[in-house]
Amino acid sequence: DSGVTQTPKHLITATGQRVTLRCSPRSGDLSVYWYQQSLDQGLQFLIQYYNGEERAKGNILERFSAQQFPDLHSELNLSSLELGDSALYFCASSEGGVSTDTQYFGPGTRLTVL
Amino acid sequence: SQELEQSPQSLIVQEGKNLTINCTSSKTLYGLYWYKQKYGEGLIFLMMLQKGGEEKSHEKITAKLDEKKQQSSLHITASQPSHAGIYLCGADSMDSSYKLIFGSGTRLLVRP
Repeated sequence: DSGVTQTPKHLITATGQRVTLRCSPRSGDLSVYWYQQSLDQGLQFLIQYYNGEERAKGNILERFSAQQFPDLHSELNLSSLELGDSALYFCASSEGGVSTDTQYFGPGTRLTVL
Repeated sequence: SQELEQSPQSLIVQEGKNLTINCTSSKTLYGLYWYKQKYGEGLIFLMMLQKGGEEKSHEKITAKLDEKKQQSSLHITASQPSHAGIYLCGADSMDSSYKLIFGSGTRLLVRP
């Protein structure tokens, strides 16, 4: 158990809908990262927040957005969902915001778009 | 952009055998991470290597970073069915300070 929690575990929805994925980092960790893992794209970095502020952006679509709240939990919002958005979405956390910090991953949320 | 290439893509070994997984970077590595993923589950951190020539071990798993810091290997000794899963190498991307990039993974199956 990494100490990172994600909810829900599974999510099934229809195209065009909007969903919110939630992540609670390990106690004391200030950074939260979001990743998408799909069969064809592999594991890809989406976005990082550090202490409530956006720190780095990866391959995140404009239909997706995220935020980190004062209690450091984070939410990833996915809108206008398409079939291709079906994937495992992972959240990771680290103590600081520097590249040498080890990231600890949550169990993931499996999103299925029908 | 920096890329990580893992080999082999998949591996089937008999229980008790040793095996090696390689991770090669297109650019110098400044932080190399090894993760294990059970099918459909989250990633479990195994080890992090930073210095050229560095070697770390945890139980029966040993990871090394070569002197030139462009290749890492993960070696499992006397493999067990519990070692089965997907092994991913990750690295700090030099394209962006806080971005972690990943190899495509190596699927390991250990036959009892």
